[in-house]
Amino acid sequence: GAGVSQSPSNKVTEKGKDVELRCDPISGHTALYWYRQRLGQGLEFLIYFQGNSAPDKSGLPSDRFSAERTGESVSTLTIQRTQQEDSAVYLCASSWAPVSSYNSPLHFGNGTRLTVT
Amino acid sequence: GIQVEQSPPDLILQEGANSTLRCNFSDSVNNLQWFHQNPWGQLINLFYIPSGTKQNGRLSATTVATERYSLLYISSSQTTDSGVYFCAVEKAAGNKLTFGGGTRVLVKP
Repeated sequence: GAGVSQSPSNKVTEKGKDVELRCDPISGHTALYWYRQRLGQGLEFLIYFQGNSAPDKSGLPSDRFSAERTGESVSTLTIQRTQQEDSAVYLCASSWAPVSSYNSPLHFGNGTRLTVT
Repeated sequence: GIQVEQSPPDLILQEGANSTLRCNFSDSVNNLQWFHQNPWGQLINLFYIPSGTKQNGRLSATTVATERYSLLYISSSQTTDSGVYFCAVEKAAGNKLTFGGGTRVLVKP
């Protein structure tokens, strides 16, 4: 597609269940980011993938959070044993960065709104 | 890590007014971008501007990297300019993009 695609757009889950969020970046984009945005707040960095380099996981809030990326394509963010404080919009973004030293504008998806009841 | 502060936190404008939003950062940066998040939550990249000045219609941005700040100018504001404006910086190449807390703008008709 033309933009970053995220699914599902909305997810309601019960506390303690696992959830998996998906991100399809723009074709050809080598850099992929996950951010979290709580209601009325700014963007909180979670994880960053750049090509075949080891991901920067420094923003993952706990070991319940993990993310994977298949090559330079789809990424999934998994939250295990969800808690109410995990409720937020999870945003994925991608950019074209053929090497780690290259920067280009970041393009965001529309996010997945996660509600943990 | 690098600190990014935006001011003012909130801004109310009358349609047609001009305004300036500021982004200060605590260290030298390799990358700076401005984003607009509309009331429906969609984030749009406005400018990729690690240094210098750029203009896009009624919006323009200037980054003075040596003094660690960037400014976003909105001229002849319209109600569609409402939303939250974020700046984001990358300290070094291949590093994460850190966002400021945003400036919430409301343009009244």
